[in-house]
Amino acid sequence: DIQLTQSPSFLSASVGDRVTITCRASQGVRNYLAWYQQKPGRAPKLLIYDVSTLQSGVPSRISGSGSGTEFTLTISSLQPEDFATYYCQQLNTYPWMFGQGTKVEIK
Amino acid sequence: QVQLVDSGGGVVQPGTSLRLSCAASGFIFSYQAMHWVRQAPGKGLEWLAGISYDGANEGYADSVKGRFTISRDNSKNTLYLQMNSLRTEDTAVYYCARETHRRLDSWGQGTLVTVSS
Repeated sequence: DIQLTQSPSFLSASVGDRVTITCRASQGVRNYLAWYQQKPGRAPKLLIYDVSTLQSGVPSRISGSGSGTEFTLTISSLQPEDFATYYCQQLNTYPWMFGQGTKVEIK
Repeated sequence: QVQLVDSGGGVVQPGTSLRLSCAASGFIFSYQAMHWVRQAPGKGLEWLAGISYDGANEGYADSVKGRFTISRDNSKNTLYLQMNSLRTEDTAVYYCARETHRRLDSWGQGTLVTVSS
């Protein structure tokens, strides 16, 4: 199985900060890497797919990059609505594992 | 608009069975693969199972292989998850999700399953 390791697990930041979350895969996932945002009590929301493609309606301050086994989610200027937990997911090979999550909290 | 409505959760005893349903509307259900994902209390997301648009192919997480079965009825626009031999560690919110070209782009609201004696 392909394992995903996110770092950091927890991040404290202020409004306006640039935030970067890393997702490392135990083996290559081609371009099938997605990022989701989840707020408490809510279903996850797709942000990025195919490593760097922004889902419709997602603000452009959010971006994804990477290749091979290392991927990054970046929020260029953190907004109040961005405080949430973020998960990466590989969709290359079953089982489609998620990373363990990164919680972004207000400093 | 796309809508996925999860149902069937509840409180059950260990060793028993439960079937979850996900009613789909707002898109052509029979054209798209579907998946189940769960989240234990205070924990992260866990992908459980996926099924192709026509039901011909399935995939499972190791944690549920042999106990859970994903299926679909395209005539009823409904996805199912049959869960057998339930364990306390299966306690979670269960979400169905639509797959569009290798991404889960729409999610149900989730249904809570509690396994407890």
